[in-house]
Amino acid sequence: SAVISQKPSRDICQRGTSLTIQCQVDSQVTMMFWYRQQPGQSLTLIATANQGSEATYESGFVIDKFPISRPNLTFSTLTVSNMSPEDSSIYLCSVEGLSVNTGELFFGEGSRLTVL
Amino acid sequence: AQKITQTQPGMFVQEKEAVTLDCTYDTSDPSYGLFWYKQPSSGEMIFLIYQGSYDQQNATEGRYSLNFQKARKSANLVISASQLGDSAMYFCAMRGWSGTSYGKLTFGQGTILTVHP
Repeated sequence: SAVISQKPSRDICQRGTSLTIQCQVDSQVTMMFWYRQQPGQSLTLIATANQGSEATYESGFVIDKFPISRPNLTFSTLTVSNMSPEDSSIYLCSVEGLSVNTGELFFGEGSRLTVL
Repeated sequence: AQKITQTQPGMFVQEKEAVTLDCTYDTSDPSYGLFWYKQPSSGEMIFLIYQGSYDQQNATEGRYSLNFQKARKSANLVISASQLGDSAMYFCAMRGWSGTSYGKLTFGQGTILTVHP
């Protein structure tokens, strides 16, 4: 499985500010996925990031609120813009495993954001 | 569209006993993968086990096994010989297979497992 590192692991942010989360993978991957997990909830896919193209956003998520960069095959960033307390969540990046036949995703440690 | 249902918000088990976590699913995809993940209080997501929809045998990975009943659309996780470290949130998830690529990974609501000494 790939080793996925996320920064920051946690942060406390003020309302109205923006924060960028970084995701670094130790191998080249085609797609990277960003998920949100609100407190006590399940994981919801925000967007899929392919290198060299615009990210594909799921229903309910927009680029202005969650801009994503994918400058190369091992790195991606997710920005949470103009934060409100409702954005307090764990944000996780993930990549597919080495076996494309089984489709499992591996996740970073997550970035736990608290918005005051 | 896909839907994953985990009907047990919380489960308790005695250390060294076995426990079954329920998962049912609904999908229109003819082919799909089913997955279980463990999320400790630290927040990381740990992949546990995979079952393909056309696999004839139930998947096993160490103390984890997946009781796959395709006709009933269920994919229950069985943890044998529970350990205190198994206390965590467990998520069932699935991805549809189009024939050339997988769709998005969809998660159930999760079950909190507590292992008592």
